[in-house]
Amino acid sequence: SAVISQKPSRDICQRGTSLTIQCQVDSQVTMMFWYRQQPGQSLTLIATANQGSEATYESGFVIDKFPISRPNLTFSTLTVSNMSPEDSSIYLCSVGETQYFGPGTRLLVL
Amino acid sequence: AQSVAQPEDQVNVAEGNPLTVKCTYSVSGNPYLFWYVQYPNRGLQFLLKYITGDNLVKGSYGFEAEFNKSQTSFHLKKPSALVSDSALYFCAVRDLNYGGSQGNLIFGKGTKLSVKP
Repeated sequence: SAVISQKPSRDICQRGTSLTIQCQVDSQVTMMFWYRQQPGQSLTLIATANQGSEATYESGFVIDKFPISRPNLTFSTLTVSNMSPEDSSIYLCSVGETQYFGPGTRLLVL
Repeated sequence: AQSVAQPEDQVNVAEGNPLTVKCTYSVSGNPYLFWYVQYPNRGLQFLLKYITGDNLVKGSYGFEAEFNKSQTSFHLKKPSALVSDSALYFCAVRDLNYGGSQGNLIFGKGTKLSVKP
């Protein structure tokens, strides 16, 4: 199984600012996925990040709000831009056929 | 459309009793099915998956799940519940018609399992 780390583990941010979340994997993977888990809710896919190509966003998520980078096969970042309180969620990255998950980034926007 | 249903928001079980957490799915192609567990303030931990082969899948911490194609179900079971099993359980499906074996997962809304001593 892949070992996945995320930074930061949690943050409290002000409305209108942006936060970049990092996801690091201990092995090379083709596809990385970014999910959002709003309070008390299930997981919703934000986008799929392939190395060397543009991320593919799900309905309701746009690149301007959630820009993603995938510079190599072990690393990806997700930026939450121009944040509002509605963006308060846990953000998780996952990889692999089994989709092992990172520990998540808990974001609170005030 | 792909979907996963977990009909119970919460399941209450006494320690030592068997437990079942229900999951049904809807996909257009063949499914890959998964169960994950989430402890408070933690990420998701993989429990088990069904891809092909034996319909009864055994996973971590003594959990197992049975794939039933005719009923489109993948219920999670454990013969004897522990208090430490109390957590949030998510069922998920991957539709092989969308993205193949590397496609994303569709998650159910989760079932809170509470095991009392």
